[in-house]
Amino acid sequence: QGTLRESGPALVKSTQTLTLTCTFSGFSLSTSGTSVSWIRQPPGEALEWLARIGWDDEKYYSTSLKTRLSISKDTSKNQVVLTLTDLEAVDTATYYCARFPEPLGAFDMWGQGTMVTVSS
Amino acid sequence: SSDLTQDPAVSVALGQTVMITCQGDSLKTYYASWYQQKTGQAPVVVMFGKDYRPSGIPDRISGSSSGDTAFLTITGAQAEDEADYYCCSRDTSGKRWVFGGGTKLAVL
Repeated sequence: QGTLRESGPALVKSTQTLTLTCTFSGFSLSTSGTSVSWIRQPPGEALEWLARIGWDDEKYYSTSLKTRLSISKDTSKNQVVLTLTDLEAVDTATYYCARFPEPLGAFDMWGQGTMVTVSS
Repeated sequence: SSDLTQDPAVSVALGQTVMITCQGDSLKTYYASWYQQKTGQAPVVVMFGKDYRPSGIPDRISGSSSGDTAFLTITGAQAEDEADYYCCSRDTSGKRWVFGGGTKLAVL
């Protein structure tokens, strides 16, 4: 089986840009039907899907955050990078990356998550 | 609509059966997937597609759907089933995903 691991700063200041990296193993993002999404969860709140990048480099973004989000991949490094600009306190959350194989239609592997706190 | 609606909290007596519901327009087109999240842990998929259960998930957990509603049923709930449960599906555009607000399950 595979694994995913999120990395990035634990504390960032408001108005700054957050860059998170998802490093994965056990699968390839060049395999047809495979995509990786970013999902976040503010403390005590629900999961929120943010962005997705597919094997074909097709990218989808949350409607409410699309102007602030960017997702990219480096297939050779097995990494997916998410950037979120103009940070606010409400962006404080645990950020997860997860694999989504189209045949399953579900997020079948998740990273352990990385907690990001936005301070003023 | 892009929303999936879940009851915030449900309780079940040990060994009894509980059904968690998820309602939304996108479920008329797309199957829901269900995730179990225990405190301090990442979510784990427990049901997906029509009624598929990943290996390692106990068969007391099952899924179904009807119209715009998906159901997660736990038959003979155990203490270890106490967790938050989230449903998820593509939204009506098919290009984004949406999670329900989550249901906190208490096993009494």
